Amino acid sequence: GDSVTQMEGPVTLSEEAFLTINCTYTATGYPSLFWYVQYPGEGLQLLLKATKADDKGSNKGFEATYRKETTSFHLEKGSVQVSDSAVYFCALSHSSSNTGKLIFGQGTTLQVKP
Amino acid sequence: DAGVIQSPRHEVTEMGQEVTLRCKPISGHNSLFWYRQTMMRGLELLIYFNNNVPIDDSGMPEDRFSAKMPNASFSTLKIQPSEPRDSAVYFCAAGGEGTHYGYTFGSGTRLTVV
Repeated sequence: GDSVTQMEGPVTLSEEAFLTINCTYTATGYPSLFWYVQYPGEGLQLLLKATKADDKGSNKGFEATYRKETTSFHLEKGSVQVSDSAVYFCALSHSSSNTGKLIFGQGTTLQVKP
Repeated sequence: DAGVIQSPRHEVTEMGQEVTLRCKPISGHNSLFWYRQTMMRGLELLIYFNNNVPIDDSGMPEDRFSAKMPNASFSTLKIQPSEPRDSAVYFCAAGGEGTHYGYTFGSGTRLTVV
């Protein structure tokens, strides 16, 4: 079945460092891909998305490119801030289904130190 | 729009008691999802509704769990009887058509069963 795999955390970086969080997926067809962020004590928030191959999603300095050839959707940011400390979830939605099921990876915790 | 509203935010109950979690989704979003989050198992999809109809409840762990959506503006997740292993954060999420727009999550209910 469909699945999402993320790099294990926690990822600990200094402020202004470059961030990469790896995400790969297994799915039939052509899913849509998402990154969600969860700040402490809150629900998940949509960070960015891409709905077809080679699309780049971007928001708040974060970017991710839908790579069908490598089945990947890695999250990147050029310069992280302390306020980016959170848990990041990669997810897919099977575009052939109209039932709306989102499949999440296990989450990667990012800690940014001043 | 106030977003997805969950209540209560925190619930502490004794083992064996009935627990009811509530969710008010976003108006016009036709899909509603209940997730459970724990450190050990991450995010688990319990059940989801499309146009108020349950589509897939295969994630509901046991018969002790039940969910209803009597109308487009209200859903409940009930646990009867509750057990300590049910302690988790329970999230409700509302989805737009096709979920290519992603989900909007509530802030969650932190359930502790003692």
